[in-house]
Amino acid sequence: EPEVTQTPSHQVTQMGQEVILRCVPISNHLYFYWYRQILGQKVEFLVSFYNNEISEKSEIFDDQFSVERPDGSNFTLKIRSTKLEDSAMYFCASSEALMSTDTQYFGPGTRLTVL
Amino acid sequence: QKEVEQNSGPLSVPEGAIASLNCTYSDRVSQSFFWYRQYSGKSPELIMSIYSNGDKEDGRFTAQLNKASQYVSLLIRDSQPSDSATYLCAVNTYTGGFKTIFGAGTRLFVKA
Repeated sequence: EPEVTQTPSHQVTQMGQEVILRCVPISNHLYFYWYRQILGQKVEFLVSFYNNEISEKSEIFDDQFSVERPDGSNFTLKIRSTKLEDSAMYFCASSEALMSTDTQYFGPGTRLTVL
Repeated sequence: QKEVEQNSGPLSVPEGAIASLNCTYSDRVSQSFFWYRQYSGKSPELIMSIYSNGDKEDGRFTAQLNKASQYVSLLIRDSQPSDSATYLCAVNTYTGGFKTIFGAGTRLFVKA
């Protein structure tokens, strides 16, 4: 069964450093998403992406964040200058269509630890 | 601010019992509703989706939606210890583009 994959599974970085989190969505999916979950808190929407541009973003997704689809398979989230409060699980998801009813499939997540 | 509210629990039920999980949402134009299960340290896993008022059954799971009351629930029949997890209610809402808003989740413990 096709699945969303994410690398690395755990990333440790120093405050102020740039990090890039990588995702490979399901191959025939067209819509991609990033979420984060701070330990013990709710899953929070960051951004959705379609046709090489951002479709929707939340208030969390400020200028420190960017997303890119650098090739036909990868979807990346870049945090330019990490802060302690960026420590969280980051989940990538993909869906076939951006209809309101479409199911999003989640990857296993990347745990980001900012020291 | 569009919100999705859930009782954080923990909800504790004996094995074989029915577990009832509830969720309310604030945005009347929300169109689709999802229940995810999340084990500790893992990603959300879709259990059920529901789009129309009424009940939808899938195996031991039944989702119920009442748009007038802005309420969605999940019933788990014949609960098993392996059902012990956090159950996340999620709502797709439109704010110029679609985004999914999650509730904080209800922790369920099924006692053997």
